[in-house]
Amino acid sequence: GQQLNQSPQSMFIQEGEDVSMNCTSSSIFNTWLWYKQDPGEGPVLLIALYKAGELTSNGRLTAQFGITRKDSFLNISASIPSDVGIYFCAGQLNSGAGSYQLTFGKGTKLSVIP
Amino acid sequence: DTAVSQTPKYLVTQMGNDKSIKCEQNLGHDTMYWYKQDSKKFLKIMFSYNNKELIINETVPNRFSPKSPDKAHLNLHINSLELGDSAVYFCASSLFLYEQYFGPGTRLTVT
Repeated sequence: GQQLNQSPQSMFIQEGEDVSMNCTSSSIFNTWLWYKQDPGEGPVLLIALYKAGELTSNGRLTAQFGITRKDSFLNISASIPSDVGIYFCAGQLNSGAGSYQLTFGKGTKLSVIP
Repeated sequence: DTAVSQTPKYLVTQMGNDKSIKCEQNLGHDTMYWYKQDSKKFLKIMFSYNNKELIINETVPNRFSPKSPDKAHLNLHINSLELGDSAVYFCASSLFLYEQYFGPGTRLTVT
């Protein structure tokens, strides 16, 4: 099946720093999604990307859908303590029998040092 | 105002018991999902229903049986619980092929 490699696995940064994380896939996707999960909660959708090359922002978050359709990155600018959590990328193919399921990366655990 | 809700939030039970987790969404979505998140936080799809019909059924023991009485509900019934079933189970919903919205999760502990 499809595999997603998400990196880094974990990050420790100082408050105010910018953060970058990315996902690469062994095969193409038509949709890339980025979620954040706080402890004890469900994943919350941050950004959805539907076109190759698309660059989308949501406040201090910016995500891009790679031109090859095999990768995506998420940037967080000027990090704050509430950015702490686990960030997941997810890809979806949207065509072919059974291929509309989401494949998740293993997550990037972000810690922000005040 | 809750978009995707699950009950219960916590479930502690003994091996061999049968239990159910309920999920409801008020977003008007036509597709619902069950995911399992293991201790390493890896999220894996278990089932998906579109308009009350099963469309994804991953390799899951047949002790797990989803039931969708209508488009707004997808319940998960688990028979003969085993220690390895301990995990957090998430329900999610979406419009077909669009972004998925997750519930708060049910932490299942089997002793």
